[in-house]
Amino acid sequence: TQLLEQSPQFLSIQEGENLTVYCNSSSVFSSLQWYRQEPGEGPVLLVTVVTGGEVKKLKRLTFQFGDARKDSSLHITAAQPGDTGLYLCAGANTDKLIFGTGTRLQVFP
Amino acid sequence: NAGVTQTPKFQVLKTGQSMTLQCAQDMNHNSMYWYRQDPGMGLRLIYYSASEGTTDKGEVPNGYNVSRLNKREFSLRLESAAPSQTSVYFCASRQQMNTEAFFGQGTRLTVV
Repeated sequence: TQLLEQSPQFLSIQEGENLTVYCNSSSVFSSLQWYRQEPGEGPVLLVTVVTGGEVKKLKRLTFQFGDARKDSSLHITAAQPGDTGLYLCAGANTDKLIFGTGTRLQVFP
Repeated sequence: NAGVTQTPKFQVLKTGQSMTLQCAQDMNHNSMYWYRQDPGMGLRLIYYSASEGTTDKGEVPNGYNVSRLNKREFSLRLESAAPSQTSVYFCASRQQMNTEAFFGQGTRLTVV
């Protein structure tokens, strides 16, 4: 059974702070995705990483895929209230797509 | 663009009743998925279909059945609903591995 654990589970910070969310597994994945979910909506893709050690930047968000392709991190610089939401990592091998346990981020003005 | 359409949006069932959740996508995607999401939690995979005519179990398949009716449609059936199946159900589709998964708006199911 594949299991993707995210930490922390909850994060409540002030606008302007930096934060890192971690996604860990004992399994190797061919790719790792990060999604963000707003209340009442389905998740929306932020990024896909496919190569061990890969780093991708999306404005203030930096995503890294571990060298062994078992873990990933999401770093947000200078968080804004608009970053508030549920962040989900998702790992894939073949066509099976497994989601992590989720990190709920609240950014206060 | 409709994308992924789920019906119904809300449903209340009594314990032991059956129902089918419908999902259709208009993006010609090969793979389709059913997930459940409990309050404040991530998504757990129930079943998925890599292509028309194939279905596979996910992490939590017990109590559910699925049908990939054609390339567009993937339905989820609860034969005998239980309170533990109270959840929000999401259908998703994507073209192939490593591509973006697109989600429906979800079905909020309550079993009393």
